[in-house]
Amino acid sequence: DGGITQSPKYLFRKEGQNVTLSCEQNLNHDAMYWYRQDPGQGLRLIYYSQIVNDFQKGDIAEGYSVSREKKESFPLTVTSAQKNPTAFYLCASSLRTGNTEAFFGQGTRLTVV
Amino acid sequence: AQSVTQPDIHITVSEGASLELRCNYSYGATPYLFWYVQSPGQGLQLLLKYFSGDTLVQGIKGFEAEFKRSQSSFNLRKPSVHWSDAAEYFCAVGGYGGATNKLIFGTGTLLAVQP
Repeated sequence: DGGITQSPKYLFRKEGQNVTLSCEQNLNHDAMYWYRQDPGQGLRLIYYSQIVNDFQKGDIAEGYSVSREKKESFPLTVTSAQKNPTAFYLCASSLRTGNTEAFFGQGTRLTVV
Repeated sequence: AQSVTQPDIHITVSEGASLELRCNYSYGATPYLFWYVQSPGQGLQLLLKYFSGDTLVQGIKGFEAEFKRSQSSFNLRKPSVHWSDAAEYFCAVGGYGGATNKLIFGTGTLLAVQP
């Protein structure tokens, strides 16, 4: 089955630790996105990538980093510089950026204690 | 700048009643518009999309939306709501070319359905 897989579904980390969220897709999509979701704020774009080895900052990139070494994978690292990392993180992919529909993973809920 | 506004944070309707969720967008060129639905703790599922052509688009689960360029709106409608429609609904706008090819979402409208 084609789709997007985010892992893990729940993640707990201590404050000050970096943590990496996994996102893999087998849809052969060029574009991939990371969003952060907080209650009442909708989905805010963290980073997006239009093609392998290329990515751009979204609206709230501070404290996050990404890589796109393979077409199928777009991992997100939440660094210790992110002041409020506890949130629901959603990964998505689309055939191209912006003008094609995005397909979403099931999300990772990160809790920093 | 590219943006989406969903003015209604929370809406409650009775089962069987009609529904309209509002969405206004800001975009410098012809927009690509989407409506997604999210159940609690889950990812988003596409309901429908508008790229060009007929301004009234049909989607899954009996939903439809109408693109009105003069009002910069893309409102979602359903003639008769079912209890299973209770969820959060997100409008999104995308584009193509340069810095405007991001996919931007609104803040969402939470729909509650009364029996």
